Amino acid sequence: QVRLQESGPGLVKPSQTLSLTCAVSGNSVSRDNYYWTWIRQPAGKGLEWIGRIYASGTTDYNPSLESRVTISLDTSKNQFSLNLTSVTAADTAVYYCAREFGIWGRGTMVTVSS
Amino acid sequence: QTVVTQEPSLTVSPGGTVTLTCASSTGAVTSGYYPNWFQQKPGQAPRALIYSTTYNHPWTPARFSGSLLGGKAALTLSGVQPEDEAVYYCLLYYGGAWVFGGGTKLTVL
Repeated sequence: QVRLQESGPGLVKPSQTLSLTCAVSGNSVSRDNYYWTWIRQPAGKGLEWIGRIYASGTTDYNPSLESRVTISLDTSKNQFSLNLTSVTAADTAVYYCAREFGIWGRGTMVTVSS
Repeated sequence: QTVVTQEPSLTVSPGGTVTLTCASSTGAVTSGYYPNWFQQKPGQAPRALIYSTTYNHPWTPARFSGSLLGGKAALTLSGVQPEDEAVYYCLLYYGGAWVFGGGTKLTVL
């Protein structure tokens, strides 16, 4: 059974970098041919696709976030990561990782505040 | 900027049928937009229902079906159950980027 679990700081200061990881079990992030995806959801609002990374390492990003986002694979730990730089309060949200869009993690809340 | 539009809210009676739609600001939605549909209940992560317009995930109840209807992607619920009350999101592909709709709050009343 495939499972994804997000982890990372729940509080990030404005202008700093938000860093999250998604641990994957039941699949290999580098050998199984899937897109590994990040999505976020501000409280009470809709979903926003952040970006994805393929098993080969190829990435696609939301154009509105592209200048601040990096998604990478860590094959030694079978996980993938999200880095979002220069965060503001607008980046406060629940962040989800997913295998393509079929299997989702439970999400992790990140608050941007000083 | 591309906008994906859904009905903000719909109400259906138990046992009834309802169709939710998903429109693109770029024009008619086709299978090339690979429409996906998701269900989200309060406090839970979204759950995938439909991918590539018409394909149900293994866990998706048979009463959910996807289609293209009048230039939009559509999600039809037939024989609605009380537990189907939720927010439903569609998702469309724009050549390397994905865009979610704003969601439809479905009330079963």
